[in-house]
Amino acid sequence: EVQLLESGGGLVQPGGSLRLSCAGSGFIFTNYALTWARQAPGKGLEGVSGIGGTGDSTYYADSVKGRVTISRDNSKNTLYLQMSSLRAEDTAVYYCARHTGYYYYYAMDVWGQGTTVTVSS
Amino acid sequence: QSALTQPASVSGSPGQSITISCTGTSNDIGAYNHVSWYQHLPGKAPKLMIYEVSNRPSGVSNRFSASKSGNTASLSISGLQVEDEADYYCSSYTTTSTVVFGGGTKLTVL
Repeated sequence: EVQLLESGGGLVQPGGSLRLSCAGSGFIFTNYALTWARQAPGKGLEGVSGIGGTGDSTYYADSVKGRVTISRDNSKNTLYLQMSSLRAEDTAVYYCARHTGYYYYYAMDVWGQGTTVTVSS
Repeated sequence: QSALTQPASVSGSPGQSITISCTGTSNDIGAYNHVSWYQHLPGKAPKLMIYEVSNRPSGVSNRFSASKSGNTASLSISGLQVEDEADYYCSSYTTTSTVVFGGGTKLTVL
């Protein structure tokens, strides 16, 4: 079964850091681009950051640029999102999603259940 | 990276048809056919309903259809069922090599 499982969420103080992980299984990990999307309370989905299958291409939303770094370890079938200088507005459920191909212009056909990040003092 | 524009809510009765619009610009929807639609139920993972403007993944009901004209994409649902009640999001690849979502539309089946 194709699956994505996020972990690493939690409560963090403003200005703090957090690293999210997303473990993939049931598919050839390196063949697919991956994206981190989030949903803040009462808000819609937002594409936070994405990475191509080989990790050579990435994108970041303006709202997080300079504060987050996306990476992947294809030997461990794991996607990461390193977040720093966290703000209250980063509070959200963070989902990882698999695109249907090696680049992130493809649609996202597999989603994890999400991990919750709360930024509060 | 402005979000695509969707109506906040739409509603319909069982058996009826509805259409949800998604308006972007020439830098996203108007530039590519990389437009997709997602169904999102509270507490669940989003589900891909449409990819590449109008294609349905295997397992998605043919009651769901979609199209694009210029900078606007549309999702239509025919023969509304109670289980269609959910939030629906459009998404597009952009000319700045990012992915942008719409603000979401809450579908209520009365």
